[in-house]
Amino acid sequence: AQTVTQSQPEMSVQEAETVTLSCTYDTSESNYYLFWYKQPPSRQMILVIRQEAYKQQNATENRFSVNFQKAAKSFSLKISDSQLGDTAMYFCAFMKLMNYGGSQGNLIFGKGTKLSVKP
Amino acid sequence: DAGVIQSPRHEVTEMGQEVTLRCKPISGHDYLFWYRQTMMRGLELLIYFNNNVPIDDSGMPEDRFSAKMPNASFSTLKIQPSEPRDSAVYFCASSLGGAKQETQYFGPGTRLLVL
Repeated sequence: AQTVTQSQPEMSVQEAETVTLSCTYDTSESNYYLFWYKQPPSRQMILVIRQEAYKQQNATENRFSVNFQKAAKSFSLKISDSQLGDTAMYFCAFMKLMNYGGSQGNLIFGKGTKLSVKP
Repeated sequence: DAGVIQSPRHEVTEMGQEVTLRCKPISGHDYLFWYRQTMMRGLELLIYFNNNVPIDDSGMPEDRFSAKMPNASFSTLKIQPSEPRDSAVYFCASSLGGAKQETQYFGPGTRLLVL
């Protein structure tokens, strides 16, 4: 069974600074996807970024980037130029790719990291 | 495009009552997922459908929970009878199958409180 661990229950950062959230996972699978979702106080789950395990290049989305270390099973999220609107719970999630072409699997979530951006 | 729609957004009910949560996935998506979020257990999958057919319901906690997807644009999650420990936020998510389309998009959630 796959597990996802987020070892930082809470973090804080000053506005405009950079913060890195950690995530490790355990799996014997070779084909999978990794995601970071953001959950602001509204409780809406919002996709931040995703990474395909077969890609060596780290995914980036504007101020958000990941450091994907497949051998170490590590998937950290870096937020640059932090903004007040980045205050939220951040969830790391794993999804196994099924054997038959491109089919879905369910997301397995970590417990989350509560990020506070301070003015 | 409209995102995933869930109703109601909030539900307060008394123990023993039947609760029905509703979800409309994004048009064209062929996968639908129901997740539950609690402080104790975090986010966990309850059940998911592909082309309206349940694929994995191993996360459904017990027989009091049932889910249906009568057509591609509607799904329900029913709890009967409800218990206080069912209090949680219930999310519906949908996605496209096939390569490179695996991102799941979540609805706003239904916050359920069972008294």
